[in-house]
Order: sequence, then structure tokens, then C-alpha cells
Amino acid sequence: ETGVTQTPRHLVMGMTNKKSLKCEQHLGHNAMYWYKQSAKKPLELMFVYNFKEQTENNSVPSRFSPECPNSSHLFLHLHTLQPEDSALYLCASSAVAGGLGLADTGELFFGEGSRLTVL
Amino acid sequence: LAKTTQPISMDSYEGQEVNITCSHNNIATNDYITWYQQFPSQGPRFIIQGYKTKVTNEVASLFIPADRKSSTLSLPRVSLSDTAVYYCLVGVYNFNKFYFGSGTKLNVKP
Repeated sequence: ETGVTQTPRHLVMGMTNKKSLKCEQHLGHNAMYWYKQSAKKPLELMFVYNFKEQTENNSVPSRFSPECPNSSHLFLHLHTLQPEDSALYLCASSAVAGGLGLADTGELFFGEGSRLTVL
Repeated sequence: LAKTTQPISMDSYEGQEVNITCSHNNIATNDYITWYQQFPSQGPRFIIQGYKTKVTNEVASLFIPADRKSSTLSLPRVSLSDTAVYYCLVGVYNFNKFYFGSGTKLNVKP
């Protein structure tokens, strides 16, 4: 148990479907991340949110739409995906420095991931 | 961002000490070095972090030479359950941009 929960764990969707992945962290962190891990590839950083503000979009196609309503929740909205988008999507969180009483160790806490299959 | 280079794979036997070296020639002054472990279909898990010299915890040791252009993760007496992919990350954590490289796939044999 890492303190980061992702749902659903498995998702199968067609190319015309709209679905969402959810991530919730109970660690009091203020930074949250989406990573994509395709088969036999390294983890790819997709999005970074600091204090609910998006600070990184690593050239991700617009068919992936992130949302961070508060520091504890992160969503990834999916629409008109392609089969090559099938992958393990991992959410992570970390503490952020800046005089807020949190030690910025750079330690990422990952969820178990959402395995996405696009048909 | 400092680029990291690690061996793609390594084999070992149970009970042996395993050393995985990561090269990061353009590491910046403020960069820390962090190692993660990942099992199949799971998120990576933090192992150890250091800035210079040597760091040891209950799981591993991290050796960083004075020039900091490389680092070595040392796993004492590995077991079959240590079979995983190990990632070396270098970054400035205030900017919260953590990029993973290809990692090293460690295969521990009986």
C-alpha cells in the first residue's frame, strides 16, 4: 500500500469511447503525475501538476486530457484513443518543497496502475 | 536534464551481491540521484537516494564518487524476489520533472 490508489485497475475501451482514469493520494502531497508505460518501453512522463496547476505537458496528444480538481485527486480523461495507446498508466505523487513544511526528497509514490486496452 | 545510462540487463544468483552502475556525465550541481525498483505490472518503488559519497539503508547501498558522474546501486545477498527492473534517476526535485530511462532488468537465478 503506497497511499496512491488508481481506479480502474483494468479498462478495455473502443476507439470511439470516452472513459476516465482516477487517481487519489492520501499522503498530503502537492504534486501529482501521470506516466505511461508501454510494453518493453521505459516510463514516459505525461503530465505534472503542482498545487493543482499543470506544470508539464510532455507533448501528449490532446486525446488525453488531465484534470486535477484538488491536490489529492488526479484524472486522465480519454477519448478517441488509438490501439497504440494501450499501456499501463501510472499515477504518482510527491512532496513539494517551498516552505510548506514538507520535505522535498524527490521520492515518487506510485499507484498500482491502470492497464488500458484500446480495441 | 541529466541523461542516464545503465546496462540493459544483468544476471545474478541468489545470495550474491549485485552492483548496478548508472552513468550521468552531465549531472548538475543541484541534482540528486535516486533509484527505483519496478516489478511487472506495478508502479516503481523508491529504493534509495543520495547526493554524494555513500548512503545505506535497510535495502541497499548507493555509492557516488567525488565527481558524481556515475553512481552504483549495491544490493547485498539478492534473492529471487529481487528480480525486477531498476531505474536510476537524476534530477532537481524542486522542478518536479522526473524522467525515467530504460532501466536495468535484473534476473536473479536460483
